Amino acid sequence: DTAVSQTPKYLVTQMGNDKSIKCEQNLGHDTMYWYKQDSKKFLKIMFSYNNKELIINETVPNRFSPKSPDKAHLNLHINSLELGDSAVYFCASRPHGSTDTQYFGPGTRLTVL
Amino acid sequence: QQQVKQSPQSLIVQKGGISIINCAYENTAFDYFPWYQQFPGKGPALLIAIRPDVSEKKEGRFTISFNKSAKQFSLHIMDSQPGDSATYFCAASRDNYQLIWGAGTKLIIKP
Repeated sequence: DTAVSQTPKYLVTQMGNDKSIKCEQNLGHDTMYWYKQDSKKFLKIMFSYNNKELIINETVPNRFSPKSPDKAHLNLHINSLELGDSAVYFCASRPHGSTDTQYFGPGTRLTVL
Repeated sequence: QQQVKQSPQSLIVQKGGISIINCAYENTAFDYFPWYQQFPGKGPALLIAIRPDVSEKKEGRFTISFNKSAKQFSLHIMDSQPGDSATYFCAASRDNYQLIWGAGTKLIIKP
């Protein structure tokens, strides 16, 4: 059973397009995250949601909009894609109020042409 | 003050050797220090973690050494194996808040 799943695994698209990445966790966790990992492997937190409420919103262009329809799902919508958006995007989850493990999804490799 | 500085950026170790990765932090309020392991094409996964009330934690071949006065912590991999080849991230957090991540170390174990 996959704990944190993301779709799609790969996404290749043209500049200017709008795309979405979906994330689902079946761990019953309250907190979910989106991270961006660039080509140098640096992990940058983008957003954090707790029980569908936004609690962390790092300096991210407003072309990126997270949406949480319920506490098991956190989707990422990106408008007007740019070359610099090419990266691997990871979804993660953890129990709220705990420094316990963050569980990461397998990642979505986004390539903007 | 929120940064976690990780070194080296990359490391090559012979099979059977000891791999050592170091991290330093500034914020003395940090109270949780995990290490994550990431294999190519996968998401990071927790490897081992420590709290500042102990100076060392060992799990199998993996050991965290923690020096509170120096504000440093390190990961030691004993008897390194080719299967340990991965990118390793240190991180730190306080008060159950978000993790602050190091820049990562790409470890290659040569057979």
